[in-house]
Amino acid sequence: SQQGEEDPQALSIQEGENATMNCSYKTSINNLQWYRQNSGRGLVHLILIRSNEREKHSGRLRVTLDTSKKSSSLLITASRAADTASYFCATDARNSGGSNYKLTFGKGTLLTVNP
Amino acid sequence: EAQVTQNPRYLITVTGKKLTVTCSQNMNHEYMSWYRQDPGLGLRQIYYSMNVEVTDKGDVPEGYKVSRKEKRNFPLILESPSPNQTSLYFCASSLVASHFYGYTFGSGTRLTVV
Repeated sequence: SQQGEEDPQALSIQEGENATMNCSYKTSINNLQWYRQNSGRGLVHLILIRSNEREKHSGRLRVTLDTSKKSSSLLITASRAADTASYFCATDARNSGGSNYKLTFGKGTLLTVNP
Repeated sequence: EAQVTQNPRYLITVTGKKLTVTCSQNMNHEYMSWYRQDPGLGLRQIYYSMNVEVTDKGDVPEGYKVSRKEKRNFPLILESPSPNQTSLYFCASSLVASHFYGYTFGSGTRLTVV
């Protein structure tokens, strides 16, 4: 079952612009993570935000989490051509035992940064 | 270098011929998992393991087997592959099962079953 859904499905911007991707999910979570995937390659972990956090930064990345709206956003500032990739959100859903021990991924946003 | 190693990277096989995709991590991670990635369907979990000798089904376990006899290795076995198992497969590991740590992914295995 798909927990996270990214929006938009595809985004094309110019180098130097900011890119914002959104993720919505359905159930209560322990944490939400963002990953990057270059074409056909393995996913790379970018950042994790816990359910009791509202905002987190890592370099040019800024992630927000709104648990009341069950949504998160990933902002990449001053984008570069090398940021071209697919970006996925993943949720660790909470259950009565604490965790269902599974990260559920959305279908991703394809970001293209044009030089 | 800390990594998850999958082999092979590419594999073309025929229907019904048993195959194993290996996965090994050198980070002493407790948790390991297999995903498949298909266009339009995203990543779907096949099986996961919380520790040695502890495995459980994910969302799409049919047609697959796994084992976790050692902490570092988590092979994916297709006893009788079928064309609908043509996919891009990823192995991933995490320090512990609580998911307060991110996953480390392997580079992927592109499997074609003809």
